[in-house]
Amino acid sequence: ELKVEQNPLFLSMQEGKNYTIYCNYSTTSDRLYWYRQDPGKSLESLFVLLSNGAVKQEGRLMASLDTKARLSTLHITAAVHDLSATYFCAANTNAGKSTFGDGTTLTVKP
Amino acid sequence: EAQVTQNPRYLITVTGKKLTVTCSQNMNHEYMSWYRQDPGLGLRQIYYSMNVEVTDKGDVPEGYKVSRKEKRNFPLILESPSPNQTSLYFCASSLWTGSDEQYFGPGTRLTVT
Repeated sequence: ELKVEQNPLFLSMQEGKNYTIYCNYSTTSDRLYWYRQDPGKSLESLFVLLSNGAVKQEGRLMASLDTKARLSTLHITAAVHDLSATYFCAANTNAGKSTFGDGTTLTVKP
Repeated sequence: EAQVTQNPRYLITVTGKKLTVTCSQNMNHEYMSWYRQDPGLGLRQIYYSMNVEVTDKGDVPEGYKVSRKEKRNFPLILESPSPNQTSLYFCASSLWTGSDEQYFGPGTRLTVT
């Protein structure tokens, strides 16, 4: 059974600081997603990572995947208030099964 | 506009009264999936479909049914809803090829009394 562990669950940051969210998964996964959810809203796709060593960047967010360590990271650079949200990782098999982490609630303070 | 639509957005119903939540996408996506989101339990997959007439159970399929008769629609059916199915439900779709992202619907908040 595929399990996904995300940490930290809560993160309070100051603007301008850097931080990393970690996503560990228990068995082989074929693709790893990162999503953002704002309060009361739906989920928005941020990144899809398919292969070992994959790195994707969008603005202040960068995601990477290490399939050997079964670890994905979401790195936040020079945080700004607009990045405050809940971030989820999800590990998927090619057969379509999807398992989410519990989410990391990020608060960026001035 | 490319989108996933769900109806209804909000529903309050009583135990045992059959209901259907519709999900439709206009992107010709092969893959569709249903999730429920509960405080403290995160998002859990209910059912998914890789193509028309192909559906599979996710982690929490009990009490739910789905069908995929057309590519664009993937309704979620609760034959006899119970209070423990009170939740926020999301439908999602994807091309499921390469690095295609998954698109989520706006959500359906269901309360079963």
